[in-house]
Amino acid sequence: EDQVTQSPEALRLQEGESSSLNCSYTVSGLRGLFWYRQDPGKGPEFLFTLYSAGEEKEKERLKATLTKKESFLHITAPKPEDSATYLCAVQGGETSGSRLTFGEGTQLTVNP
Amino acid sequence: GAVVSQHPSRVICKSGTSVKIECRSLDFQATTMFWYRQFPKQSLMLMATSNEGSKATYEQGVEKDKFLINHASLTLSTLTVTSAHPEDSSFYICSVKGGNQPQHFGDGTRLSIL
Repeated sequence: EDQVTQSPEALRLQEGESSSLNCSYTVSGLRGLFWYRQDPGKGPEFLFTLYSAGEEKEKERLKATLTKKESFLHITAPKPEDSATYLCAVQGGETSGSRLTFGEGTQLTVNP
Repeated sequence: GAVVSQHPSRVICKSGTSVKIECRSLDFQATTMFWYRQFPKQSLMLMATSNEGSKATYEQGVEKDKFLINHASLTLSTLTVTSAHPEDSSFYICSVKGGNQPQHFGDGTRLSIL
């Protein structure tokens, strides 16, 4: 059974204070690891897909990296508008079809 | 712009009522659509997967007679919560997937049963 664990559960940063969110996973045959951002009362917004260990992707202040056991979402010089819940999900082997297994999320608050 | 349109965004109704939620893929043909449920402070829990023209595949513990899913076209899926009760109150979110696209999510429907 695919499993995803995110840490920390909640993170408070000052504006400009860089940090990283962690996503540890166990999956049989990783076909993709996904990062989403979710604002209160909204659906998740797609950020990145990573497919293989060593892969990195960047978008504005966010950079996602992947190893064989975990993924990190690095936030550089965050701004208050980066406050949201960040969700990590994995798509497992062929028997999983297109379904995703989500972690519990990290609630990020960036104070001005 | 939005990739997925989900309506209504909020529903308040009496116990025993049936409620229909629509999910439309705006940008591409969605061969697969997913329905999730999310409780406060928790992550998304997959309820069912539907492929266009086929019966939906429900996750363990999800009552298929309670949560009726129709995926009649490549751009539209509906979830009907039949004879809703207060314990069905939740945030329901759909997502769409086509080809090599990642899953794109709607903005959710807040269902409150009185």
